[in-house]
Amino acid sequence: SQTIHQWPATLVQPVGSPLSLECTVEGTSNPNLYWYRQAAGRGLQLLFYSVGIGQISSEVPQNLSASRPQDRQFILSSKKLLLSDSGFYLCAWARLSSYNSPLHFGNGTRLTVT
Amino acid sequence: KNEVEQSPQNLTAQEGEFITINCSYSVGISALHWLQQHPGGGIVSLFMLSSGKKKHGRLIATINIQEKHSSLHITASHPRDSAVYICAVRGGGYESQGAQKLVFGQGTRLTINP
Repeated sequence: SQTIHQWPATLVQPVGSPLSLECTVEGTSNPNLYWYRQAAGRGLQLLFYSVGIGQISSEVPQNLSASRPQDRQFILSSKKLLLSDSGFYLCAWARLSSYNSPLHFGNGTRLTVT
Repeated sequence: KNEVEQSPQNLTAQEGEFITINCSYSVGISALHWLQQHPGGGIVSLFMLSSGKKKHGRLIATINIQEKHSSLHITASHPRDSAVYICAVRGGGYESQGAQKLVFGQGTRLTINP
């Protein structure tokens, strides 16, 4: 069976510090991978998606970047965090090129930038 | 106007009541998802549908493509159904389908009291 791991679960970081959130998927190959952010009181917003190793598409201009160094690994990074980066970050995967594939979410990382 | 609108935003009911959450969208879609977000933040995919009706246990999801509207029903509601329910749509364009990019509603916070 497929599983998705995301860590850490919570993170408190000062403004200007770097960020690295990691997500890995097990039990499937060539997944579509996604990073979403949920700001307080707002809906989910797609930040990045990837359809393959080294292929990253950015949906919104921002202070963050994403990388996919391996097929089932997706990393969200920042060189210098801003207060506005606080939020709940979710990684998700879906089966590549399957129109009927549901989205599978990780448990999320709650990031507080102080 | 948001592309995906959910109503109500908040709903409180007594255990056993029949629950309906609505989702309207303004764009052409290839699929619609209903998701459940638990208080801890984790998200579970409940349904993905592109026409008609689907049922899983006490949950029923319907969609009317012509009216651009979907409903999620919960029969015999229980306190453990308390969660945020999120509607999300996948666009009809090639890129949206291939990358399975979703646009999310704001969510409906459901509280079921014993």
